[in-house]
Amino acid sequence: AQKITQTQPGMFVQEKEAVTLDCTYDTSDQSYGLFWYKQPSSGEMIFLIYQGSYDEQNATEGRYSLNFQKARKSANLVISASQLGDSAMYFCAMREGAGGYNKLIFGAGTRLAVHP
Amino acid sequence: DGGITQSPKYLFRKEGQNVTLSCEQNLNHDAMYWYRQDPGQGLRLIYYSQIVNDFQKGDIAEGYSVSREKKESFPLTVTSAQKNPTAFYLCASRKTAKESYTFGSGTRLTVV
Repeated sequence: AQKITQTQPGMFVQEKEAVTLDCTYDTSDQSYGLFWYKQPSSGEMIFLIYQGSYDEQNATEGRYSLNFQKARKSANLVISASQLGDSAMYFCAMREGAGGYNKLIFGAGTRLAVHP
Repeated sequence: DGGITQSPKYLFRKEGQNVTLSCEQNLNHDAMYWYRQDPGQGLRLIYYSQIVNDFQKGDIAEGYSVSREKKESFPLTVTSAQKNPTAFYLCASRKTAKESYTFGSGTRLTVV
């Protein structure tokens, strides 16, 4: 069964508008972490934001915020005031495993296109 | 500046040949990882290592091998047993259990 589900293969947004990228996850662990990465066409993976399962506040990093709904097991990324440079693939990932022996499990990604 | 270096950026090999992808980090990170990415897909874990001389199989380890003789280095060998080796390979590292992963810029392997 998929552990990270990103249901939107592609999204379009107008420049300066906000956009939400969906992510749901499946885990029986009490302690876990959720990440969002951006991958431009060059292929590098750029870390955007992190949410720990025990964090009470939703994470924010500049124009990025994470809408964390623990009961629904969702961790949606919100990008405010979209810019043309935001056009890229976006991946949701979950840290799985205990202590030092953990690993990142990725979703299939959402391709975001920002239009002028 | 510290970071992860993957070399080469592009690699071409003939079918049936083994090939080794390099991954070096100077971040003093303990854990290192290899992921494979196919076009339009997410990343899948091949192998990972938490400490020197120790590594674990990921979800798609068949046809691959690794070594971790030094903390800074985690080379990946794509063997002739790997049925579809053409892909984009990303190396990553992490300092502690709760820190973000740092990724290299990737190696695009094409087998002809």
